[in-house]
Amino acid sequence: QQQVKQSPQSLIVQKGGISIINCAYENTAFDYFPWYQQFPGKGPALLIAIRPDVSEKKEGRFTISFNKSAKQFSLHIMDSQPGDSATYFCAASLGSNDYKLSFGAGTTVTVRA
Amino acid sequence: KAGVTQTPRYLIKTRGQQVTLSCSPISGHRSVSWYQQTPGQGLQFLFEYFSETQRNKGNFPGRFSGRQFSNSRSEMNVSTLELGDSALYLCASSSGTGRYFGPGTRLTVT
Repeated sequence: QQQVKQSPQSLIVQKGGISIINCAYENTAFDYFPWYQQFPGKGPALLIAIRPDVSEKKEGRFTISFNKSAKQFSLHIMDSQPGDSATYFCAASLGSNDYKLSFGAGTTVTVRA
Repeated sequence: KAGVTQTPRYLIKTRGQQVTLSCSPISGHRSVSWYQQTPGQGLQFLFEYFSETQRNKGNFPGRFSGRQFSNSRSEMNVSTLELGDSALYLCASSSGTGRYFGPGTRLTVT
């Protein structure tokens, strides 16, 4: 059973627009929530990560919002660029030193120029 | 620093055969974990090794096994291959909070 549910499966956004990807989890013991970006033919690359004691974290155009009570977190990609076209995965683990990541199903983002 | 390397990048095997995949972690990283990626099941954790010891294991049958050597390089083995084992096998090396994935080995079972 998937411990992390991710939506939407795919999305198309215009250049300069905002891409929003949502994830929900059940296991309240999860303590570390990273997001990965994967291009075709490549392995996933860590984008940004958050701990539950923080409600928001921003790195450049990428922002994670975290709602602990709702057990939900989301990725916002601001000012989306064609180079952001990729598959994005949310994930969760029991801690930053726990290497067993539970991944969401992935969201394919297409940014139209 | 060089990234995570995986060999071979592509592999075609026949049902019933066995296969060994190799992963060389980033220099200094002592943890290596393996994941299977398929269109239907997504990314699923196989196992994790740290200092030559398996620390964690996912829900895969015993046909999937692995090991880690003293230089932190890791291998995973799949015996008695099935068609459903066709997947991208990813290895990630870790040090602290960072987890860095290799490009994967694409295994096709015919």
